[in-house]
Amino acid sequence: DAMVIQNPRYQVTQFGKPVTLSCSQTLNHNVMYWYQQKSSQAPKLLFHYYDKDFNNEADTPDNFQSRRPNTSFCFLDIRSPGLGDAAMYLCATSRDFFRGGNEQFFGPGTRLTVL
Amino acid sequence: AQSVAQPEDQVNVAEGNPLTVKCTYSVSGNPYLFWYVQYPNRGLQFLLKYITGDNLVKGSYGFEAEFNKSQTSFHLKKPSALVSDSALYFCAVRDGGNAGNMLTFGGGTRLMVKP
Repeated sequence: DAMVIQNPRYQVTQFGKPVTLSCSQTLNHNVMYWYQQKSSQAPKLLFHYYDKDFNNEADTPDNFQSRRPNTSFCFLDIRSPGLGDAAMYLCATSRDFFRGGNEQFFGPGTRLTVL
Repeated sequence: AQSVAQPEDQVNVAEGNPLTVKCTYSVSGNPYLFWYVQYPNRGLQFLLKYITGDNLVKGSYGFEAEFNKSQTSFHLKKPSALVSDSALYFCAVRDGGNAGNMLTFGGGTRLMVKP
């Protein structure tokens, strides 16, 4: 089945120790997104890629960066995690957001714990 | 600017009874509206969407939603609730008049279906 895969599902890191979360998709979608979700709140968009064009939201901290080496993979790097970065990180894809009506497909998420 | 509101943090319903989860939105252009469901420690799962056409939209697992332009609402409904429907539900909107807009999510409504 075509899907969005996130690894690992659970990640524990120490305060200030860099961490990388990964996402892969078999849907061949143009757009990939990273969201941060805290305590069952609404997901907060951090970045999105349209093909290789990178777009970060204005309020995304510099501590967060992303890479998309090819269509299938996207990475979220947290350079110096703080306690406030503990959250669920969701990766999503969509076929083409310019058309507007394309729904997003979400991975299962990675729950990050910062000690 | 676009926004979406889910006025109820939690909705309680008995199994077998009809359920409604409320959503209202605000956009300057034509709205693209979506409902997603999230089970514990999982990503968001697409349920249904309204782009254009019939105001009553049918989606997965017996859910449906009615687009009401005059009331700027897109309430999620199901004729007969199941205990397995208990989850967190998110309404989302995108302004179809702006190709660069991302999805805006509501704050979520927790649905509790009791046997």
